[in-house]
Amino acid sequence: QKEVEQDPGPLSVPEGAIVSLNCTYSNSAFQYFMWYRQYSRKGPELLMYTYSSGNKEDGRFTAQVDKSSKYISLFIRDSQPSDSATYLCAMSAGSNYQLIWGAGTKLIIKP
Amino acid sequence: GAVVSQHPSRVICKSGTSVKIECRSLDFQATTMFWYRQFPKKSLMLMATSNEGSKATYEQGVEKDKFLINHASLTLSTLTVTSAHPEDSSFYICSASEQFYGYTFGSGTRLTVV
Repeated sequence: QKEVEQDPGPLSVPEGAIVSLNCTYSNSAFQYFMWYRQYSRKGPELLMYTYSSGNKEDGRFTAQVDKSSKYISLFIRDSQPSDSATYLCAMSAGSNYQLIWGAGTKLIIKP
Repeated sequence: GAVVSQHPSRVICKSGTSVKIECRSLDFQATTMFWYRQFPKKSLMLMATSNEGSKATYEQGVEKDKFLINHASLTLSTLTVTSAHPEDSSFYICSASEQFYGYTFGSGTRLTVV
């Protein structure tokens, strides 16, 4: 079993829809949870950074962490074609610890 | 926010030559930097953890003599691919962690060995 599980997709939704992306993990020591967006041939771009449990909102993006269920989510409201990219979850036990990555979910927003 | 600059963004080299990739943290000090390799349509694979002033820690299966990492200062880490071969062609990405902004990534280097 991988430490972090993420459905690779692709996930295709119409423009304007709410997108839900998820990861599950097995290591209860993880404290830092991140979502990255990666466009083709580019480095990952940090979208959301959450410490421990709870919700965090930034514009159209909301990140949720449920440590009791070992489950994290990223919601994208009012999705746009420019949101089409691969979304990777990542987590670590400490700020200088190795990041453990999900496989990444390819998201396609259809105009 | 924290910014990491990576250069070059693209490099084409002949088989047998060496290539150096630089990773700089522009507005923060990074005692630890990470080097990743990404194959097409795959997630990031950690190659090594670079620690300022000490030897890098390599992941299992990564040849330390082929992928030389130097972390000479708190803002600069370099990855040198020595005696590059076509199978080393890949997308290499560095990252550094900052207390408040998490892990920030460079824009990546596309290496093509011909």
